[in-house]
Amino acid sequence: SQKIEQNSEALNIQEGKTATLTCNYTNYSPAYLQWYRQDPGRGPVFLLLIRENEKEKRKERLKVTFDTTLKQSLFHITASQPADSATYLCALRGSYIPTFGRGTSLIVHP
Amino acid sequence: EAGVAQSPRYKIIEKRQSVAFWCNPISGHATLYWYQQILGQGPKLLIQFQNNGVVDDSQLPKDRFSAERLKGVDSTLKIQPAKLEDSAVYLCASSLGAEAFFGQGTRLTVV
Repeated sequence: SQKIEQNSEALNIQEGKTATLTCNYTNYSPAYLQWYRQDPGRGPVFLLLIRENEKEKRKERLKVTFDTTLKQSLFHITASQPADSATYLCALRGSYIPTFGRGTSLIVHP
Repeated sequence: EAGVAQSPRYKIIEKRQSVAFWCNPISGHATLYWYQQILGQGPKLLIQFQNNGVVDDSQLPKDRFSAERLKGVDSTLKIQPAKLEDSAVYLCASSLGAEAFFGQGTRLTVV
């Protein structure tokens, strides 16, 4: 069956360090993968999109990698700040309905 | 640019009652989505519209849920009758391309 896995345990890191979040999937062939940020009581906010033929995408302190062989995307936040604390969701898009993972909570400690 | 507007923000109803949610997407966005997000889970697509036509409603429980998008702009999602397991946040999103813009959602509690 199709599955998207994001670490359900919260990721706790110290301010200034790099946060790395993982999105694994099975039985999908996504045309592209998206990362969203969701704060409590708010809707998700789009951050980055990476296509199947791209290995890496960057935007300011954010970097996404996409390995279609491993069926994995990594999402990095460099020089993390307490304001980066939120839940980060990955979403797969392709010839099927858009599908989200459950998200990983990131907590950045000052 | 105004974002996606949803109302109400919160709703508490008893099981077997009916409820309706309203969404006003970003102007010009042809695609509109309704998602259900249960606490601790990711958003689950219920229905996707392209203008006023349904693209996908395969995950919509059609015996109790209905949605419409009149004139290809605003949309309403209705639940009748509600069950306890319908307690969730209902998110509306709209898009022009790959990036979806979400509203703040309606938190529904069924008691």
